Amino acid sequence: QQQVKQSPQSLIVQKGGISIINCAYENTAFDYFPWYQQFPGKGPALLIAIRPDVSEKKEGRFTISFNKSAKQFSLHIMDSQPGDSATYFCAARGGGATNKLIFGTGTLLAVQP
Amino acid sequence: GAGVSQSPSNKVTEKGKDVELRCDPISGHTALYWYRQSLGQGLEFLIYFQGNSAPDKSGLPSDRFSAERTGGSVSTLTIQRTQQEDSAVYLCASKSSGSSYEQYFGPGTRLTVT
Repeated sequence: QQQVKQSPQSLIVQKGGISIINCAYENTAFDYFPWYQQFPGKGPALLIAIRPDVSEKKEGRFTISFNKSAKQFSLHIMDSQPGDSATYFCAARGGGATNKLIFGTGTLLAVQP
Repeated sequence: GAGVSQSPSNKVTEKGKDVELRCDPISGHTALYWYRQSLGQGLEFLIYFQGNSAPDKSGLPSDRFSAERTGGSVSTLTIQRTQQEDSAVYLCASKSSGSSYEQYFGPGTRLTVT
């Protein structure tokens, strides 16, 4: 119930293409779903986040699509660039007072020039 | 302003030794989290501090792991009698006391147990 399942494990996209990463969860108490971007040797940085009362959120080239009934959410990167090459993690806020995040296992994205 | 800082950035230790990892959160952030990132894995929650108290220690993998926070600021994660399976990147994050859920992560400490 506390898991967040992420796919694919790795992804290769051509420059200008669309990158899509998917996540699924079981616990309906989760109430906040962020995506983090991590470059080698760096800590994760918040990219975009959504709450379950919204079905889509867009910030620049990055869009989260959220399907509450299916308990799934996805990250879409439009016009992917080589600088987007990084590891992407989805996460869910575990509920309660701790605000701890439950993370997916990550997707290594490579955008080829 | 300054972000979350962690030290050391890399630590190599021999099996059986104790190690201390340090986290300096963003000034004024009352919540502090420790996570562990093993090779090819997502981030695993270890412990949460609110001020100097740790109301959630549920992620600590064994009693060899402990953490403290002093002055509502700096936190230290201690691993006693290190084992090879402790090798990982240990990440610290902090969050303000406001309504935002955003956690800000430090660069991590890469621990290698030989």
